Amino acid sequence: QVQLVQSGTEVKQPGASVKVSCKASGYTFTAYYIDWVRQAPGQGFEWMGWISPKYGGTILAQNFQGRVTMTRDTSINTVYMELTSLRSDDTAVYFCARQDYASGSHMDFWGQGTLVTVSS
Amino acid sequence: SYVVTQPPSVSVAPGQTARITCGGNKFETKTVHWYQQKPGQAPVLVVYDETDRPSGIPERFSGSKSGNTATLTISRVEAGDEADYYCQVFDESSHLYFFGPGTKLTVL
Repeated sequence: QVQLVQSGTEVKQPGASVKVSCKASGYTFTAYYIDWVRQAPGQGFEWMGWISPKYGGTILAQNFQGRVTMTRDTSINTVYMELTSLRSDDTAVYFCARQDYASGSHMDFWGQGTLVTVSS
Repeated sequence: SYVVTQPPSVSVAPGQTARITCGGNKFETKTVHWYQQKPGQAPVLVVYDETDRPSGIPERFSGSKSGNTATLTISRVEAGDEADYYCQVFDESSHLYFFGPGTKLTVL
């Protein structure tokens, strides 16, 4: 079965960086994009961008350009999202999601989420 | 930035029909998907490409789009449908996504 398993909770100080991983299983890793979406406490979703695991190319939302890097390691079916220069308003649950780009643009499977807390 | 609108809340009695709307500009060049999120859980895709339903999602969930409004319809609402519902808009020209602010569905 399709699974996206994310790394665990992170607590970071302002100005630091965080790198969240998302390990895929149960499907052909390179056949689907992976998106990153975050949700601040009690708030809605904010789309961050996506990566093509096959080619490594990325598309980032304007708000995150210059602060977010998305990479992948095809040998272990894992995608990474690194966010730099952390601020208190980056405190959120970060989700990875599989994007079924071949048949549309929807995100059909999601990781369990990773809580990132930014606090001094 | 592209703005997507949703009503903050919708309330409906069990067995009735709930309709949640999603608005934006130039919807003819956009694709709309709908997600359900229950507290403490990851979102679940309930309708994609405005009208299609993933396997495992009950037929009670359906979607439509007309003009600049997309609608998620939940028929014969059950207590277990109580959740936050988010529309997601995909801009095919820019390959960017935009989420609506979410609608809290309360089953009375």
